[in-house]
Amino acid sequence: DAGVIQSPRHEVTEMGQEVTLRCKPISGHDYLFWYRQTMMRGLELLIYFNNNVPIDDSGMPEDRFSAKMPNASFSTLKIQPSEPRDSAVYFCASRTGGSTEAFFGQGTRLTVV
Amino acid sequence: GQQVMQIPQYQHVQEGEDFTTYCNSSTTLSNIQWYKQRPGGHPVFLIQLVKSGEVKKQKRLTFQFGEAKKNSSLHITATQTTDVGTYFCAGNNNDMRFGAGTRLTVKP
Repeated sequence: DAGVIQSPRHEVTEMGQEVTLRCKPISGHDYLFWYRQTMMRGLELLIYFNNNVPIDDSGMPEDRFSAKMPNASFSTLKIQPSEPRDSAVYFCASRTGGSTEAFFGQGTRLTVV
Repeated sequence: GQQVMQIPQYQHVQEGEDFTTYCNSSTTLSNIQWYKQRPGGHPVFLIQLVKSGEVKKQKRLTFQFGEAKKNSSLHITATQTTDVGTYFCAGNNNDMRFGAGTRLTVKP
């Protein structure tokens, strides 16, 4: 298996633009997590899904952020409109079951100018 | 979800010195996981502790889970430059919320 695949690896966009980050979890994994990492706030859990259903989105910063998981092999995190303070590395992770190791993607480095 | 506090935030050691990072939770954890993130990389799973008082070793790394299952530690004996990175704990119920991490730097 190729592991968790995220795209793009890098994204530079202008303030106000829509940004869509993509994640393909490991096949067979039924949990998917989205994280945001910054120097100031560390590794924050934004939202997680179980069997494609959002379970906890309390970490989503505000209405500008939305996440979907239309099927077991694909998830998106969308920011609309983007702001400079959204600049961060966004990680997707997946795992099987409720208490097993999680596998992280390589991350998407987002820069909003 | 539960919050886990991790200390110290930074640790700089001379190569060969020992290193310890601590993770504390206000609530009892079902289990705890430790991850390592190399500079510029992504978190990679190291180990999971489940039982009260559990101790596990991986070469120079020793992981402990407290008796009350509210705290954990990671100890590295005789650090090497390859140990550089940020070490995270995650209090693990179904969600997976990470501590702030401890950034370790090692001076050769």
